[in-house]
Amino acid sequence: SQQGEEDPQALSIQEGENATMNCSYKTSINNLQWYRQNSGRGLVHLILIRSNEREKHSGRLRVTLDTSKKSSSLLITASRAADTASYFCATAMYNNNDMRFGAGTRLTVKP
Amino acid sequence: KAGVTQTPRYLIKTRGQQVTLSCSPISGHRSVSWYQQTPGQGLQFLFEYFSETQRNKGNFPGRFSGRQFSNSRSEMNVSTLELGDSALYLCASSAWGRDGELFFGEGSRLTVL
Repeated sequence: SQQGEEDPQALSIQEGENATMNCSYKTSINNLQWYRQNSGRGLVHLILIRSNEREKHSGRLRVTLDTSKKSSSLLITASRAADTASYFCATAMYNNNDMRFGAGTRLTVKP
Repeated sequence: KAGVTQTPRYLIKTRGQQVTLSCSPISGHRSVSWYQQTPGQGLQFLFEYFSETQRNKGNFPGRFSGRQFSNSRSEMNVSTLELGDSALYLCASSAWGRDGELFFGEGSRLTVL
């Protein structure tokens, strides 16, 4: 079963604009991670935010975590055509040995 | 450092057959997880192995099985294939599993006819 749900399912923007994707989850977590997948390829880890953190940055990426609302957001600033991909959030629950992924947000950045 | 290697990359099988997929994790990683990805169900967790022991299993029928060898390489097997087993099967390794960063292979694309 999936733990997280991303919103929106699909997002189309112009190059240079910012893209925001949201993730909601159901149970208490140790951390939340974001991954990117280019069509039909393996996933690539982008960023990890722990349950005691509220915000984290990595290059053009900014992730927030609100444990009271069980939600996270991923912001990609100044998007590029190469950012076109599917983005997934994944959560690791306490006392669990697996990561559960959401359904993903399909981002299209038009040049 | 070499990444996660999955073989074969593509394969076609017919209903009722069985298939074995292989995954070589990053050197030093002891945890290997398997996921099934389909357009309709998204990424579904299959199982996770650590030091040759299955630590967790997703909600899949017993036709799906796996194992891990002493060198951390892992295989998964699907018996009595059904059309619905057509999917991209992804393997991911991590140093300790649990909540660490996952490193994914490129996947094995299985088509069942």
